[in-house]
Amino acid sequence: EAGVAQSPRYKIIEKRQSVAFWCNPISGHATLYWYQQILGQGPKLLIQFQNNGVVDDSQLPKDRFSAERLKGVDSTLKIQPAKLEDSAVYLCASSRRDPTRRDTQYFGPGTRLTVL
Amino acid sequence: DAKTTQPPSMDCAEGRAANLPCNHSTISGNEYVYWYRQIHSQGPQYIIHGLKNNETNEMASLIITEDRKSSTLILPHATLRDTAVYYCIVRVENDYKLSFGAGTTVTVRA
Repeated sequence: EAGVAQSPRYKIIEKRQSVAFWCNPISGHATLYWYQQILGQGPKLLIQFQNNGVVDDSQLPKDRFSAERLKGVDSTLKIQPAKLEDSAVYLCASSRRDPTRRDTQYFGPGTRLTVL
Repeated sequence: DAKTTQPPSMDCAEGRAANLPCNHSTISGNEYVYWYRQIHSQGPQYIIHGLKNNETNEMASLIITEDRKSSTLILPHATLRDTAVYYCIVRVENDYKLSFGAGTTVTVRA
């Protein structure tokens, strides 16, 4: 089966500009996650969707970050306006929510954002 | 979730077994031990998980101590492609959250 797709793979912007990342999860996966990974650290969960509803966005900086998952498939994560500290890799993951597999998360390759 | 402690880095020789330790001394009875790895410029990849019994799959073996306070991930025959950051995560059953620490950077040398 095809994996989690993300685009773009790399993005360089100036601070205060806007940027958007796109994610297409594995077909049939109801749950979608966005993570932020700062260099040298492990990924940190930003937001989780179950179908098109938000389950957890407690770690999402809502003053500048937004995310949506229209129709419960693809998702977009937006930053507006970007700050220098937003430079990171943004990872998308999806899972089936199959209890027998303990909800294994499958990750995409990520989008590396550099804010200058 | 219980926190985990891993060594920041370790080297191993190609073809030899790599034993990656993880301490999780505050683990609760309903928390599983998960291992993921992240190869450079890729997203994390699921390896294996277990509750209290030892587990083995095509990628690795997971040995959990009887008191469940620590575990070891074993890569039986390490290859250069196994060079990655390995994350040990403790997670409640059916809880969606994966809380990643800094992990162990494993370098497999020829």
